Amino acid sequence: DGGITQSPKYLFRKEGQNVTLSCEQNLNHDAMYWYRQDPGQGLRLIYYSQIVNDFQKGDIAEGYSVSREKKESFPLTVTSAQKNPTAFYLCASSGYGGGAGGSYNEQFFGPGTRLTVL
Amino acid sequence: AQRVTQPEKLLSVFKGAPVELKCNYSYSGSPELFWYVQYSRQRLQLLLRHISRESIKGFTADLNKGETSFHLKKPFAQEEDSAMYYCAFEKGSTLGRLYFGRGTQLTVWP
Repeated sequence: DGGITQSPKYLFRKEGQNVTLSCEQNLNHDAMYWYRQDPGQGLRLIYYSQIVNDFQKGDIAEGYSVSREKKESFPLTVTSAQKNPTAFYLCASSGYGGGAGGSYNEQFFGPGTRLTVL
Repeated sequence: AQRVTQPEKLLSVFKGAPVELKCNYSYSGSPELFWYVQYSRQRLQLLLRHISRESIKGFTADLNKGETSFHLKKPFAQEEDSAMYYCAFEKGSTLGRLYFGRGTQLTVWP
């Protein structure tokens, strides 16, 4: 089954703990993204990576960190410095994929991870 | 700052009625505009992009540079159109980096 996967679907953590959200894609896309989706706020970009071993901050990067050691993986760590971490997190990827069709501006989204910090 | 505005948080219409979801953007350059849709219990997905000038599921959207708008329209709404719709744009200088609006929840009543 091709596509982009996120795990886990639901995640609970205690306040003050770091937590890492997984995002994997087998679409051979170069670019990957992390968004936070809150009711009434739309999608806000946390970090994005256009190539392996490189990434840029989005609009709300404070309290988050990422790595891009492999093309297919882009994990997001929510640190204890994030003041309001409870949210729905979406990962996406884009790129030409090596096959027909595709583009850098069509983003393919994962199913999301709902993080609740207690 | 770049911004996408979707003025309606909620929009309700009856089946068969026309529907228009508004989107305005603020950007001095030449953006690419998109509409993404999220149906209940499904992933967010691309609906259409202005550069393709296509109609998807009966929806069309025209880029009006003078009014900096990219409204999504459908002449006859269907119940299956009920979903959350997001307008987004990309600056030409930052390939792939999208700016999303806050979304409009469309409900089509039978």
